[in-house]
Amino acid sequence: DGGITQSPKYLFRKEGQNVTLSCEQNLNHDAMYWYRQDPGQGLRLIYYSQIVNDFQKGDIAEGYSVSREKKESFPLTVTSAQKNPTAFYLCASTFGTYGYTFGSGTRLTVV
Amino acid sequence: GQQVMQIPQYQHVQEGEDFTTYCNSSTTLSNIQWYKQRPGGHPVFLIQLVKSGEVKKQKRLTFQFGEAKKNSSLHITATQTTDVGTYFCAGHDGGATNKLIFGTGTLLAVQP
Repeated sequence: DGGITQSPKYLFRKEGQNVTLSCEQNLNHDAMYWYRQDPGQGLRLIYYSQIVNDFQKGDIAEGYSVSREKKESFPLTVTSAQKNPTAFYLCASTFGTYGYTFGSGTRLTVV
Repeated sequence: GQQVMQIPQYQHVQEGEDFTTYCNSSTTLSNIQWYKQRPGGHPVFLIQLVKSGEVKKQKRLTFQFGEAKKNSSLHITATQTTDVGTYFCAGHDGGATNKLIFGTGTLLAVQP
């Protein structure tokens, strides 16, 4: 079945550490997105990519980095510059202006 | 910047009661989408409305897009415990990047 796979499901980060969240899709979607969701809050856009080898900053890009070397993959790195990284991270993909397909998310906790 | 607000933020109903959430954008949207996120889960796409004044139904759910394409509503008739979750509206701004702007969400709790 086609879909988006995010891994890991849970991730623990020590202070000062960079961590990378994986997002892979087999839907042949051109556009991919990363969102951050804090408890009881909405979705805030971190980065998005509409085509391979190109990506744009969203509303809260500081402290994060991404790459889009393959159509299927859009990994997100949470750097040590992100001072409050504990959150639920959601990856999504879409074709054109159709509805987004979301992955099951990664819960990141700073320890 | 463009904002999409939803009211109410939270609604608690008895099973069998109706529920409505309203979505309002500060600017005209090219379309409106609705998503449902179960507690602990991820958002799932429900429907997209494109035309001014459009109304669509999915079983007990009725979705409307306003005439000015700046507001939308989701109405659930006779709620069930399976309706529990957060409902988000989202609209494309129609600009150069055509980003999807998510609303603030409405959390629905249903008491059996």
